[in-house]
Amino acid sequence: LAKTTQPISMDSYEGQEVNITCSHNNIATNDYITWYQQFPSQGPRFIIQGYKTKVTNEVASLFIPADRKSSTLSLPRVSLSDTAVYYCLVGEGGGADGLTFGKGTHLIIQP
Amino acid sequence: NAGVTQTPKFQVLKTGQSMTLQCAQDMNHNSMYWYRQDPGMGLRLIYYSASEGTTDKGEVPNGYNVSRLNKREFSLRLESAAPSQTSVYFCASSTDRGRDTEAFFGQGTRLTVV
Repeated sequence: LAKTTQPISMDSYEGQEVNITCSHNNIATNDYITWYQQFPSQGPRFIIQGYKTKVTNEVASLFIPADRKSSTLSLPRVSLSDTAVYYCLVGEGGGADGLTFGKGTHLIIQP
Repeated sequence: NAGVTQTPKFQVLKTGQSMTLQCAQDMNHNSMYWYRQDPGMGLRLIYYSASEGTTDKGEVPNGYNVSRLNKREFSLRLESAAPSQTSVYFCASSTDRGRDTEAFFGQGTRLTVV
């Protein structure tokens, strides 16, 4: 699995758009980029996944440049309930590769 | 729709005791995983099972054994618990769409070894 680098922590305020960037310089051709969210005392929850360009769902957007060496998770108009740890994973999904988590980005939203 | 169910939710063990953490999923997934998460850390993969009857070591397998009892159940056993195994344990299962895989996690088992 490609190694990922993301900020350890970020702060923002309610109503703002938050962008969390993940670097994955060694991403392989077959790798997908997946983001998970984890609240305290809970298991991680899938947010969004993409391969290239832009993906949007009801929760977030994922921007992936043409070289795919980085990706940005965008959370529109955050609220206090978006305070969580966000993990960026890069790989060929589950199965034999497993799912390898780094330390993630601790996002703190303030009123 | 229960998803991934882990039992127990909390457990205190004495050093040297053994126990089995249970995990079951009702989503008909082939792949299942066991992770541990220490305070302030990310999740570390202990073991995973790509299909019924197969298991493979992850990043931190020492001190643990697993059994993929059937497609639904994947158990984690601590034969002789140590204080270093105090952690929160998460079980997960994943879809098998190949590269675009989504994992579903249980609520975790908080284990304390004294």
